[in-house]
Parts: sequence; structure tokens; C-alpha cells
Amino acid sequence: GDSVTQMEGPVTLSEEAFLTINCTYTATGYPSLFWYVQYPGEGLQLLLKATKADDKGSNKGFEATYRKETTSFHLEKGSVQVSDSAVYFCAWVSGSARQLTFGSGTQLTVLP
Amino acid sequence: DAGVTQSPTHLIKTRGQHVTLRCSPISGHKSVSWYQQVLGQGPQFIFQYYEKEERGRGNFPDRFSARQFPNYSSELNVNALLLGDSALYLCASSFRTGGGQETQYFGPGTRLLVL
Repeated sequence: GDSVTQMEGPVTLSEEAFLTINCTYTATGYPSLFWYVQYPGEGLQLLLKATKADDKGSNKGFEATYRKETTSFHLEKGSVQVSDSAVYFCAWVSGSARQLTFGSGTQLTVLP
Repeated sequence: DAGVTQSPTHLIKTRGQHVTLRCSPISGHKSVSWYQQVLGQGPQFIFQYYEKEERGRGNFPDRFSARQFPNYSSELNVNALLLGDSALYLCASSFRTGGGQETQYFGPGTRLLVL
């Protein structure tokens, strides 16, 4: 069935390290893809999105490219900061369904 | 501009009770969605409303119901609460662009604890 598979955490990195969080999806049609971030005790914030194949979403130094051939949308950042510590969720929505389907989340901790 | 607002922020109930959660969307957004996030998991879709009509329903029992008002705000109701209903309840609002794209923006959530 339709789903999102995210890299399992937790992930612990030192400040300025390179970050990759893998995300692959199974969906019918041509979904839009999203990364949301959740800081402790808060709701979800939209981090970036891509709506068609080969689109690259970017925000706050984070990037992800919509790869239709591998059904992936991996999140990357070249140099993480302590303030990036949060839970990151990959999600998709299809034109017909309209509701978001989320992955299970990846906890990121960045140490100074 | 104000984001999505939800009330209350926290709530404690006992089994068998009823709860009503409220959500006000971003100004101009006509669609509201509700999600349940159990600790340690990703959010699960409950309902979506657009222009006061239910547009989608997730795999939740009939104890869960919702409605949307003429000002596009929304309520989520849960009857006969169970311990397993303890979760963060998230509301998201969205609007559809001319190209048919929708992006959902989330509120801070209501944390419900059922004892």
C-alpha cells in the first residue's frame, strides 16, 4: 500500500557534520513530497517541498531532490548546527488523496 | 499573519469522557485537516474538511467526529475516550493554488492525556 519509509534514528552528529536522512515512498500517481520538522514540545513546521520529478526543495541550508526513478526524497544539509536538533518527518500527498502520509520520523541530535 | 491556532494546549481526561478540540486556520485557508500523533510515531490522518464538507476520513472509529464552521474553523470531537487516545492532536490548514497544489501548515497541537 501507499507508505513512506524513513531512515531509522536516532541520529547523533557533531556540529558542522554532513547530514543525510533517507526517505523513500510508495505512492500511486505523482505525489508532492515534503519534509516537516518538529522541535521538542511543538507542532510540525514545513521545512521544504517538491511537487514534481527533479524538483529540488531547499530551506535553511537543507535540501532534498524529488527522484522519481528511485522514489526517493532524501534530506541533506552540508553543516548541521546544534539548533537543528529535532525530529524530521518525510511525507507525501497525492492529488486524489489530499491527506499527508508521514514516515515514522528521524530524531536528530547535534552535539556542540 | 497569525498561523494555525489550536485550543486548548493541554487537556487531561478520564476514560469514557468526551473531548472537543478546536482549530482556527490561517486566514484565507478553506481546508482544515486533523491528525493524531502518538508518542514516537508520525502523525496519522483523521479527517479533512473543505468548505464545511468532509473531504476525507482516515481509519479511525466512529467515536471520532469533526465539523467545520462557516468561518472555516473546526472542531474535533472524541467520545468514550480510551487510554489509547492519549496523543498530540494536530490541526493543519491549507489552500489550493490555481495549479491544484496544496501545502498544509500545522498548528502547535493539543496534547491529550487520558487517565
